[in-house]
Amino acid sequence: GQQVMQIPQYQHVQEGEDFTTYCNSSTTLSNIQWYKQRPGGHPVFLIQLVKSGEVKKQKRLTFQFGEAKKNSSLHITATQTTDVGTYFCAGPFSNDYKLSFGAGTTVTVRA
Amino acid sequence: NAGVTQTPKFRVLKTGQSMTLLCAQDMNHEYMYWYRQDPGMGLRLIHYSVGEGTTAKGEVPDGYNVSRLKKQNFLLGLESAAPSQTSVYFCASSYGRGGHGNQETQYFGPGTRLLVL
Repeated sequence: GQQVMQIPQYQHVQEGEDFTTYCNSSTTLSNIQWYKQRPGGHPVFLIQLVKSGEVKKQKRLTFQFGEAKKNSSLHITATQTTDVGTYFCAGPFSNDYKLSFGAGTTVTVRA
Repeated sequence: NAGVTQTPKFRVLKTGQSMTLLCAQDMNHEYMYWYRQDPGMGLRLIHYSVGEGTTAKGEVPDGYNVSRLKKQNFLLGLESAAPSQTSVYFCASSYGRGGHGNQETQYFGPGTRLLVL
């Protein structure tokens, strides 16, 4: 079945450093979505990428959708304590509106 | 506009007891979902609904039942709770087919933390 994999599972970052988390799908996705869950909170939608090779930025966050639409990445520059949380990628099953979520990358920040 | 709300926020059950989790959304969304979240396993879909009166099984449906009698409500039932059902349960909703903009974008409720002893 369709599966979305995320790496790494955990990311410990020094405040001010950059890092990247990756998302890979076993099948082509019509779009990829990213969500953020703060500790003790619920997942909150960040962004959706639809086009092959698409790149979108939200302040210090850069999201990219692969050319083959089977992978995606989230790059955070100059990490801040407000970036703490778990980042999930998710993609829909073909012709379906269910989402397959990756296991998430949990980010902790050292001040 | 409250978005997605869940009741209760926290519950402790004994093995074998039953309970119902309530999810309500005021965004007129067609699709609603129930997930469970366990450490290291992300969000796993239990059941979902594509409209009032319809339900379907997700990835981990065993031990759970659902009902969608009204468009705005989606109920998750545990008939005989087991310790393996200790988890955080999230409800979500989306516009679905024919909706506005990002049809599949899901809006999550605050979650219900369930402990089964």
